[in-house]
Amino acid sequence: KAGVTQTPRYLIKTRGQQVTLSCSPISGHRSVSWYQQTPGQGLQFLFEYFSETQRNKGNFPGRFSGRQFSNSRSEMNVSTLELGDSALYLCASSAGNSYNEQFFGPGTRLTVL
Amino acid sequence: GENVEQHPSTLSVQEGDSAVIKCTYSDSASNYFPWYKQELGKGPQLIIDIRSNVGEKKDQRIAVTLNKTAKHFSLHITETQPEDSAVYFCAASKNTNAGKSTFGDGTTLTVKP
Repeated sequence: KAGVTQTPRYLIKTRGQQVTLSCSPISGHRSVSWYQQTPGQGLQFLFEYFSETQRNKGNFPGRFSGRQFSNSRSEMNVSTLELGDSALYLCASSAGNSYNEQFFGPGTRLTVL
Repeated sequence: GENVEQHPSTLSVQEGDSAVIKCTYSDSASNYFPWYKQELGKGPQLIIDIRSNVGEKKDQRIAVTLNKTAKHFSLHITETQPEDSAVYFCAASKNTNAGKSTFGDGTTLTVKP
């Protein structure tokens, strides 16, 4: 079974721009969760999508948004980028039922200049 | 919301020794506790997990224990090897929020040959 894939792996943007990151979950998995990882804040939950609906949301500003398509692939968008948005963005795939095992992708390293 | 504390932040052991990492959680409704290993440049990899109806789980050199009353759980690695060197994260979540995990801040484990 192929693992979780994320594209692009690296991204450099400037302040004020917007960015879209993509995540393809493990085949058959219906839940995709997004996390932000920074040295200072650790792994912070952004949101979770299940069957094209946002099921859970973390404490991030509205500049962070996401969506999920009918094939379970998910995208997250960050608008009006700030320097503090520089981070590793990880997506995690799970079956989405009561079995909680999450499988992470390699992440997208976003640098905001 | 849930809060997970993880100790120690760094741990250095000699090859062959045991390593123990401890986590405490605040939400008594949490019932799923995974441990992840993250190597440089990669996403977190699930290495073992435990559910609240079980007190201990073992997989070869790795074991996890859970004390629901005290709200803490621990990762035990025996006969450590240099390839065990990585950052380890504990996490907590609930069945009702399967896609949303709260992570500890991580422990950097170094195994000296």
